[in-house]
Amino acid sequence: DIQMTQSPSSLSASVGDRVSITCQASQVISIHLNWYQQKPGKAPKLLLYDASNLETGVPSRFSGRRSGTDFTFTISSLQPEDVATYYCQQYDDLPITFGPGTKVDLK
Amino acid sequence: EVQLLESGGGLIQPGGSLRLSCAASGFIFKNYGMNWVRQAPGKGLEWVSGISGSGDTTFYADSVKGRFTISRDNSKNTLFLRLDSLRAGDTAIYYCAKADYHDSRGHFDFWGQGIPVTVSP
Repeated sequence: DIQMTQSPSSLSASVGDRVSITCQASQVISIHLNWYQQKPGKAPKLLLYDASNLETGVPSRFSGRRSGTDFTFTISSLQPEDVATYYCQQYDDLPITFGPGTKVDLK
Repeated sequence: EVQLLESGGGLIQPGGSLRLSCAASGFIFKNYGMNWVRQAPGKGLEWVSGISGSGDTTFYADSVKGRFTISRDNSKNTLFLRLDSLRAGDTAIYYCAKADYHDSRGHFDFWGQGIPVTVSP
Protein backbone atom coordinates (compact mmCIF):
# COMPACT_ATOMS: atom_id res chain seq x y z
CA ASP A 1 0.00 0.00 0.00
CA ILE A 2 1.11 3.58 -0.62
CA GLN A 3 1.63 5.35 2.69
CA MET A 4 0.85 9.03 2.96
CA THR A 5 2.45 11.12 5.68
CA GLN A 6 1.38 14.65 6.52
CA SER A 7 3.10 17.35 8.49
CA PRO A 8 2.45 19.03 10.74
CA SER A 9 -0.32 17.10 12.45
CA SER A 10 -1.71 20.38 13.74
CA LEU A 11 -0.96 24.07 13.56
CA SER A 12 -2.23 27.34 14.92
CA ALA A 13 -2.01 30.52 12.90
CA SER A 14 -3.44 34.02 12.83
CA VAL A 15 -5.93 35.42 10.34
CA GLY A 16 -4.00 36.55 7.29
CA ASP A 17 -1.08 34.18 7.83
CA ARG A 18 0.31 31.99 5.09
CA VAL A 19 -0.13 28.34 6.04
CA SER A 20 1.50 25.33 4.41
CA ILE A 21 0.97 21.59 4.86
CA THR A 22 3.19 18.90 3.41
CA CYS A 23 2.13 15.46 2.27
CA GLN A 24 4.70 12.84 1.31
CA ALA A 25 3.97 9.65 -0.57
CA SER A 26 5.93 6.46 0.10
CA GLN A 27 6.44 5.99 -3.65
CA VAL A 28 6.00 7.90 -6.89
CA ILE A 29 2.34 8.75 -7.48
CA SER A 30 2.69 11.21 -10.37
CA ILE A 31 0.17 14.00 -9.82
CA HIS A 32 -2.49 11.65 -8.45
CA LEU A 33 -2.96 13.55 -5.22
CA ASN A 34 -6.02 15.40 -3.98
CA TRP A 35 -6.67 17.68 -0.99
CA TYR A 36 -9.84 17.76 1.09
CA GLN A 37 -11.12 20.02 3.85
CA GLN A 38 -13.27 18.65 6.65
CA LYS A 39 -15.00 20.84 9.19
CA PRO A 40 -16.26 19.29 12.45
CA GLY A 41 -19.39 17.22 11.98
CA LYS A 42 -19.34 17.69 8.22
CA ALA A 43 -18.41 15.62 5.20
CA PRO A 44 -15.07 16.22 3.51
CA LYS A 45 -14.98 18.75 0.69
CA LEU A 46 -12.70 18.55 -2.34
CA LEU A 47 -10.41 21.58 -2.62
CA LEU A 48 -7.65 20.60 -5.05
CA TYR A 49 -7.27 17.69 -7.44
CA ASP A 50 -4.32 16.31 -9.36
CA ALA A 51 -1.90 18.11 -7.06
CA SER A 52 -2.60 21.66 -8.14
CA ASN A 53 -5.99 22.06 -9.81
CA LEU A 54 -8.50 24.15 -7.92
CA GLU A 55 -11.97 22.63 -7.71
CA THR A 56 -14.76 24.83 -9.06
CA GLY A 57 -15.94 27.37 -6.51
CA VAL A 58 -12.95 27.00 -4.19
CA PRO A 59 -11.27 30.31 -3.26
CA SER A 60 -7.99 31.07 -4.98
CA ARG A 61 -6.17 31.45 -1.65
CA PHE A 62 -5.88 27.65 -1.71
CA SER A 63 -3.11 26.20 -3.87
CA GLY A 64 -1.01 23.09 -4.26
CA ARG A 65 2.22 21.98 -5.87
CA ARG A 66 4.22 18.84 -6.38
CA SER A 67 7.93 18.14 -6.10
CA GLY A 68 8.64 14.48 -6.70
CA THR A 69 6.82 12.56 -3.99
CA ASP A 70 6.34 15.67 -1.86
CA PHE A 71 3.17 17.71 -2.15
CA THR A 72 2.54 21.09 -0.56
CA PHE A 73 -0.85 22.59 0.20
CA THR A 74 -0.93 26.32 0.93
CA ILE A 75 -3.47 28.79 2.21
CA SER A 76 -2.09 32.17 1.19
CA SER A 77 -4.07 34.19 3.73
CA LEU A 78 -5.80 32.20 6.46
CA GLN A 79 -9.44 33.09 7.04
CA PRO A 80 -11.63 32.19 10.05
CA GLU A 81 -13.71 29.85 7.88
CA ASP A 82 -10.59 27.84 7.03
CA VAL A 83 -10.48 26.29 10.51
CA ALA A 84 -10.73 22.59 9.65
CA THR A 85 -8.79 19.40 9.21
CA TYR A 86 -7.09 18.93 5.86
CA TYR A 87 -6.40 15.55 4.27
CA CYS A 88 -4.34 14.52 1.28
CA GLN A 89 -5.41 11.47 -0.72
CA GLN A 90 -3.57 9.43 -3.35
CA TYR A 91 -5.34 7.51 -6.06
CA ASP A 92 -2.35 6.37 -8.08
CA ASP A 93 -2.78 2.81 -6.87
CA LEU A 94 -5.26 0.78 -4.90
CA PRO A 95 -6.02 0.89 -2.11
CA ILE A 96 -6.75 4.58 -2.21
CA THR A 97 -5.11 6.05 0.87
CA PHE A 98 -5.48 9.25 2.84
CA GLY A 99 -2.96 11.09 4.92
CA PRO A 100 -3.61 11.25 8.68
CA GLY A 101 -4.81 14.86 8.47
CA THR A 102 -3.63 18.27 9.60
CA LYS A 103 -5.79 20.22 12.02
CA VAL A 104 -5.69 23.97 11.44
CA ASP A 105 -7.02 26.40 14.00
CA LEU A 106 -6.71 30.07 14.88
CA LYS A 107 -4.13 31.43 17.24
CA GLU B 1 -27.50 20.13 -7.88
CA VAL B 2 -25.70 16.92 -6.96
CA GLN B 3 -27.09 15.23 -3.87
CA LEU B 4 -26.03 12.02 -2.14
CA LEU B 5 -28.19 10.76 0.72
CA GLU B 6 -27.09 7.80 2.79
CA SER B 7 -29.41 5.62 4.83
CA GLY B 8 -29.47 2.25 6.58
CA GLY B 9 -27.00 2.81 9.38
CA GLY B 10 -27.56 2.15 13.06
CA LEU B 11 -26.59 0.05 16.05
CA ILE B 12 -25.75 -3.57 15.30
CA GLN B 13 -24.29 -6.40 17.34
CA PRO B 14 -20.92 -7.91 16.50
CA GLY B 15 -21.29 -10.52 13.79
CA GLY B 16 -24.40 -8.83 12.45
CA SER B 17 -25.17 -7.39 9.02
CA LEU B 18 -26.37 -4.10 7.58
CA ARG B 19 -27.04 -2.68 4.16
CA LEU B 20 -26.23 0.94 3.54
CA SER B 21 -27.84 2.83 0.68
CA CYS B 22 -26.85 6.06 -1.04
CA ALA B 23 -29.50 7.74 -3.17
CA ALA B 24 -27.98 9.94 -5.85
CA SER B 25 -29.47 12.80 -7.84
CA GLY B 26 -28.38 15.74 -9.94
CA PHE B 27 -26.02 13.88 -12.28
CA ILE B 28 -26.00 10.95 -14.72
CA PHE B 29 -25.39 8.26 -12.13
CA LYS B 30 -24.31 5.46 -14.48
CA ASN B 31 -21.51 7.58 -15.89
CA TYR B 32 -19.55 7.88 -12.64
CA GLY B 33 -17.72 5.60 -10.29
CA MET B 34 -18.76 5.67 -6.66
CA ASN B 35 -17.00 4.95 -3.38
CA TRP B 36 -17.56 4.37 0.30
CA VAL B 37 -15.23 6.09 2.76
CA ARG B 38 -15.47 5.71 6.52
CA GLN B 39 -14.29 7.64 9.54
CA ALA B 40 -14.00 6.04 12.95
CA PRO B 41 -14.77 8.28 15.94
CA GLY B 42 -12.03 10.89 16.30
CA LYS B 43 -9.97 9.34 13.49
CA GLY B 44 -9.05 10.07 9.90
CA LEU B 45 -10.57 9.01 6.61
CA GLU B 46 -10.35 5.42 5.37
CA TRP B 47 -11.34 4.37 1.86
CA VAL B 48 -13.50 1.24 2.05
CA SER B 49 -14.68 0.29 -1.43
CA GLY B 50 -15.24 1.55 -4.97
CA ILE B 51 -17.32 0.54 -7.98
CA SER B 52 -17.20 1.62 -11.61
CA GLY B 53 -20.08 3.44 -13.26
CA SER B 54 -21.27 0.33 -15.03
CA GLY B 55 -20.91 -1.73 -11.86
CA ASP B 56 -18.72 -4.37 -13.48
CA THR B 57 -15.57 -3.50 -11.52
CA THR B 58 -15.34 -3.39 -7.75
CA PHE B 59 -12.49 -2.72 -5.32
CA TYR B 60 -12.10 -3.21 -1.59
CA ALA B 61 -9.75 -2.29 1.21
CA ASP B 62 -8.09 -5.34 2.74
CA SER B 63 -9.76 -4.56 6.07
CA VAL B 64 -13.22 -5.28 4.62
CA LYS B 65 -12.51 -7.68 1.75
CA GLY B 66 -14.69 -10.77 2.02
CA ARG B 67 -17.04 -9.10 4.53
CA PHE B 68 -18.39 -6.06 2.65
CA THR B 69 -20.00 -6.01 -0.80
CA ILE B 70 -20.47 -2.90 -2.90
CA SER B 71 -23.12 -2.76 -5.62
CA ARG B 72 -25.25 -0.28 -7.49
CA ASP B 73 -28.62 -0.10 -9.21
CA ASN B 74 -28.26 2.36 -12.08
CA SER B 75 -31.98 2.17 -12.83
CA LYS B 76 -32.66 3.58 -9.36
CA ASN B 77 -29.59 5.83 -9.06
CA THR B 78 -28.62 4.08 -5.85
CA LEU B 79 -25.35 2.81 -4.41
CA PHE B 80 -25.25 0.06 -1.80
CA LEU B 81 -22.80 -1.37 0.70
CA ARG B 82 -23.60 -4.68 2.34
CA LEU B 83 -21.73 -5.07 5.62
CA ASP B 84 -21.45 -8.63 6.99
CA SER B 85 -19.59 -10.14 9.94
CA LEU B 86 -19.39 -6.74 11.55
CA ARG B 87 -16.74 -6.03 14.17
CA ALA B 88 -16.28 -3.29 16.73
CA GLY B 89 -13.56 -1.85 14.50
CA ASP B 90 -16.15 -1.19 11.78
CA THR B 91 -17.80 1.45 13.96
CA ALA B 92 -17.61 4.67 11.95
CA ILE B 93 -19.42 7.30 9.95
CA TYR B 94 -19.80 5.91 6.43
CA TYR B 95 -19.78 8.37 3.54
CA CYS B 96 -20.66 7.71 -0.07
CA ALA B 97 -18.57 9.74 -2.47
CA LYS B 98 -18.85 10.35 -6.20
CA ALA B 99 -15.73 9.98 -8.31
CA ASP B 100 -15.19 12.34 -11.20
CA TYR B 101 -14.59 9.47 -13.65
CA HIS B 102 -16.34 6.32 -14.78
CA ASP B 103 -13.60 4.48 -12.92
CA SER B 104 -14.09 4.71 -9.16
CA ARG B 105 -10.68 6.31 -8.67
CA GLY B 106 -9.69 9.92 -9.16
CA HIS B 107 -10.96 12.72 -7.03
CA PHE B 108 -14.15 12.55 -5.01
CA ASP B 109 -16.02 15.70 -5.97
CA PHE B 110 -19.24 15.16 -4.03
CA TRP B 111 -19.89 13.47 -0.69
CA GLY B 112 -22.98 12.46 1.22
CA GLN B 113 -23.61 13.73 4.73
CA GLY B 114 -22.54 10.42 6.23
CA ILE B 115 -24.40 7.69 8.14
CA PRO B 116 -23.26 6.28 11.49
CA VAL B 117 -22.72 2.57 12.00
CA THR B 118 -22.11 1.42 15.57
CA VAL B 119 -21.10 -2.17 16.26
CA SER B 120 -21.62 -2.99 19.92
CA PRO B 121 -23.13 -5.80 22.04
